[in-house]
Amino acid sequence: EVQLVESGGILIPPGGSLRLSCAASGFTFSSYAMSWVRQAPGKGLQWVSAISGGGDSTHYADSVKGRFTISRDNSKNTVYLQMSSLRAEDAAVYFCAREVPQLDYWGQGTLVTVSS
Amino acid sequence: DIQLTQSPSFLSASVGDRVTITCRASQGISSYLAWYQQKPGKAPEFLIYAAYTLHSGVPSRFSGSGSGTEFTLTISSLQPEDFATYYCQQVNSYPRTFGQGTKVEI
Repeated sequence: EVQLVESGGILIPPGGSLRLSCAASGFTFSSYAMSWVRQAPGKGLQWVSAISGGGDSTHYADSVKGRFTISRDNSKNTVYLQMSSLRAEDAAVYFCAREVPQLDYWGQGTLVTVSS
Repeated sequence: DIQLTQSPSFLSASVGDRVTITCRASQGISSYLAWYQQKPGKAPEFLIYAAYTLHSGVPSRFSGSGSGTEFTLTISSLQPEDFATYYCQQVNSYPRTFGQGTKVEI
């Protein structure tokens, strides 16, 4: 059974940094690209970033480019999202998802709150 | 970036109704379109890929069509568990983008 479990979401002040993690199980992790998608309270889905199975190719939404970094550790079956210079508009539930290229499995999400 | 526009944004319907949601892309994306369903407080669930192919386990009352810039999601006979928000997503190119969502309400 495919499982994705996000963690790391907290309340953090504007300008701060945070790393989210997504632990995967139930499939050959290194064979799949992974994505992060976020959803601000009461809003729609926003694609954030993606990384190839080998980790050699990454992509970002313009709104996070230069501030967020996606990475993965295939030995730990985990994908990360390093977030810096956080803004109020980054507050959201962050989901990780397996990309095939559509997003066929999703985690339950982790909440990031940006506030002083 | 490719923009996706869904219509309508809200849809009021009854059990048994036929429902159609449209997703228009700002440029041609062939058939690289997926549809998702999201219920309140839950992660989205994958419904359809390649514009019309149902994901395993998705009921046959759901169907997708279209190519290029115009796509539709149809629910042939709305069931109580189908009241949710539906999103389209283009997977033709990066950055990936979603439509703004269509909330299907009773």
